[in-house]
Order: sequence, then structure tokens, then C-alpha cells
Amino acid sequence: LAKTTQPISMDSYEGQEVNITCSHNNIATNDYITWYQQFPSQGPRFIIQGYKTKVTNEVASLFIPADRKSSTLSLPRVSLSDTAVYYCLVGDKGNTDKLIFGTGTRLQVFP
Amino acid sequence: DTGVSQNPRHKITKRGQNVTFRCDPISEHNRLYWYRQTLGQGPEFLTYFQNEAQLEKSRLLSDRFSAERPKGSFSTLEIQRTEQGDSAMYLCASSLEAGDPRGTQYFGPGTRLLVL
Repeated sequence: LAKTTQPISMDSYEGQEVNITCSHNNIATNDYITWYQQFPSQGPRFIIQGYKTKVTNEVASLFIPADRKSSTLSLPRVSLSDTAVYYCLVGDKGNTDKLIFGTGTRLQVFP
Repeated sequence: DTGVSQNPRHKITKRGQNVTFRCDPISEHNRLYWYRQTLGQGPEFLTYFQNEAQLEKSRLLSDRFSAERPKGSFSTLEIQRTEQGDSAMYLCASSLEAGDPRGTQYFGPGTRLLVL
């Protein structure tokens, strides 16, 4: 069964870059690794996904090493509105229909 | 169609009652997922559909839980004889699958269930 680990919480100040890492083993070999942002009482919101190396979009970058045993979400120049919980989502290697969310990282951004 | 919708947004029920939640996915999406999220935890996979076929069910989905997607469009999740431990946020997501790898899942706002 795939297992994921994320730091429970992180603090940052506005304007700083934040990197959140998810460790994941036994993940499906043909699946993207996806990251979501979640605010209280809302559903998760898609941020970015990737398969290998580096992916960048207008809000974040995602770094995935060749062994795909971890992934790092990078948020450039965070603002107060980035205060949220961030989750990685991976597929299970043993059961490719099963999807597993990470434990979640609560990011607090201070002014 | 601006996204995944779920109804109701909140439900309070007494232990032992049956409840049913509805999810309307993004219109062209062929896959629909259900998750459960308890306070302070990440979402846990419950089940998913490819069109109208239910392809996978988690062990979390006891005999009291049933999900349907009769015409491959909206889906319902029913919980019979609710227990206090069923109190959680129930999330629905949909994606467009066109082969490998898996499509991006887009989530609805969730239905928060409180069992008294």
C-alpha cells in the first residue's frame, strides 16, 4: 500500500518562497502526482500535477526526482491568502484504482 | 457548467436515520469519485465510477454505504442506519479519463454530515 508523509505544519511570511515536500513510496508508476490546496469547509482545489522532473504553472512549481519517491511543491512569494492546508495525491502501486491523499501540511502565512 | 456541485451542503440527522447525498460532476467528465474527510485529516478514498460502472470500493465503505451513478451523469451516496462515526465531510470529484495517466480530479464543495 502506498504511504505518504508530509510535514504537519509550516510557517512563512508574505513574499517568501515556500517548499512543501511529500514523501511517497509504492506509488503507481503510470500516474501523475497531484497537489491540492484546501481552505476550511471547502473541497480541495487543484494546484499542479506532474510525472517527473519539473513542472511550472502560473501559481506553483512541482519538482519530482527520477525515483518519484517524493515531490516538492514550491509556492513563490506567498501571500496571506495562501494560508491553507496542502495535500499531495498519489495512486497506489498495488491497486492502481486506489488514490491516496497525503497527510496534509497546514501552511500559515504571516504579514 | 462551472464545476462539481454537491447537495445538500450540510445535513444533520439522528443516529439510525438514512441519508442520501447527490453529486453532479462536470458535464463531460466520465469518472466520478467519492471521498470522506474527517476533521483534521486528509480525504479518504471511498469509491469511484467510470461512467455508470462502479470500479472500486474501499474497505471504508461498509454494507451501510451504497453509491450509484445510474446514467453515468450524477451520483448518489446513501448511508443507511447512520452512526455518530459517520459524521464527516463527504467530497465528490470528477475527471475526464482518456487513457494513461489518470485525469485531473476536480472537487465539489462537499456535504458536511453531522449525526447526533
